[in-house]
Amino acid sequence: AQSVTQPDIHITVSEGASLELRCNYSYGATPYLFWYVQSPGQGLQLLLKYFSGDTLVQGIKGFEAEFKRSQSSFNLRKPSVHWSDAAEYFCAVGAKTGGFKTIFGAGTRLFVKA
Amino acid sequence: SQTIHQWPATLVQPVGSPLSLECTVEGTSNPNLYWYRQAAGRGLQLLFYSVGIGQISSEVPQNLSASRPQDRQFILSSKKLLLSDSGFYLCAWSLSETQYFGPGTRLLVL
Repeated sequence: AQSVTQPDIHITVSEGASLELRCNYSYGATPYLFWYVQSPGQGLQLLLKYFSGDTLVQGIKGFEAEFKRSQSSFNLRKPSVHWSDAAEYFCAVGAKTGGFKTIFGAGTRLFVKA
Repeated sequence: SQTIHQWPATLVQPVGSPLSLECTVEGTSNPNLYWYRQAAGRGLQLLFYSVGIGQISSEVPQNLSASRPQDRQFILSSKKLLLSDSGFYLCAWSLSETQYFGPGTRLLVL
């Protein structure tokens, strides 16, 4: 069965510092992997996705993620965090079963300090 | 381009009252549709998904039901709300592997 683990419930970084959010997945085949961001009281916005090909994926808002099959990981990174990046981040893995279901991690809340 | 709408944005309901949340998608045909619930401080729980009109799959047994009366309309309902139904309800659509989310409905059951 698919599963997604985000080990960090919350992370605090200083504005301008680099960021890495961890995500580990469990899936029997090559997964479809996603990162979403959710601002308070809002829906989820897709940051980036990986299906195949280059394992380093670029997304919106300056984010990138790297797929590492050997570690079953898909960590999200940003070289310099802005205060507006404070939000909750969800990693997800998808599989084509019926209507293509997606399993979400529990989320990591990012706090940005001045 | 495709857009997804949810209403109402916020709802406060007494325990035991009925519920109807609506989700509509514009700019696409025959999407897969999903209802998720997000409890405070928690991740997303898939409640229902639909691959076509009248086709509903339920993921967890609960006090809620879903219907898809039209291709781009997905409704979440309850006959009698429980306190535990409080949460943030998100609708999403997809044509393949990527899901796109609506703005959500915050439901508070008192």
